[in-house]
Amino acid sequence: GAGVSQSPSNKVTEKGKDVELRCDPISGHTALYWYRQRLGQGLEFLIYFQGNSAPDKSGLPSDRFSAERTGESVSTLTIQRTQQEDSAVYLCASSLGQSSNSPLHFGNGTRLTVT
Amino acid sequence: RKEVEQDPGPFNVPEGATVAFNCTYSNSASQSFFWYRQDCRKEPKLLMSVYSSGNEDGRFTAQLNRASQYISLLIRDSKLSDSATYLCVVDTGRRALTFGSGTRLQVQP
Repeated sequence: GAGVSQSPSNKVTEKGKDVELRCDPISGHTALYWYRQRLGQGLEFLIYFQGNSAPDKSGLPSDRFSAERTGESVSTLTIQRTQQEDSAVYLCASSLGQSSNSPLHFGNGTRLTVT
Repeated sequence: RKEVEQDPGPFNVPEGATVAFNCTYSNSASQSFFWYRQDCRKEPKLLMSVYSSGNEDGRFTAQLNRASQYISLLIRDSKLSDSATYLCVVDTGRRALTFGSGTRLQVQP
């Protein structure tokens, strides 16, 4: 598989539970992004990883959200104590390098439903 | 003012029509611009980059107007398969690219 891979593709969880979403970027891509897209809305930036630099967490909506990345590979986005407003599609994307030069390649997303 | 703004549409056009979308951006220092396409309930996919001199890819033409801080996308000879949401993407000076909310296009037979 040459593309960005996300798992699970769908997740239904009860309010208050924690969830973990996974992203496998394209091999060799140093930059990795998480975006959130609510139904009928645009993409909302969450967090950005670039190589070994400190991640840009400026888009995380609350301290219930956190993300990690192991080197230049897998990333996990964790949402603690989920709320109904967290329901959305969570999209991961990777690119070859600095965002200003390289277009993003997206995974299929994880559709999160909080009941 | 939003960093990247688009008319949400929808633009309803007949097959064969020419349609154009604009996207304005607020950061005059922005250097990189893209158009992405997103089909319903699918992930965004790169349609084309936008270069300073303008560029064309088949029926699609992208233009950049730095003075007025907007980019445009022109679609000629619209096909039913062009129906989608078109996302304007700009490097706004933050480390990550900023997406507009998208313009919805519906091509009708």
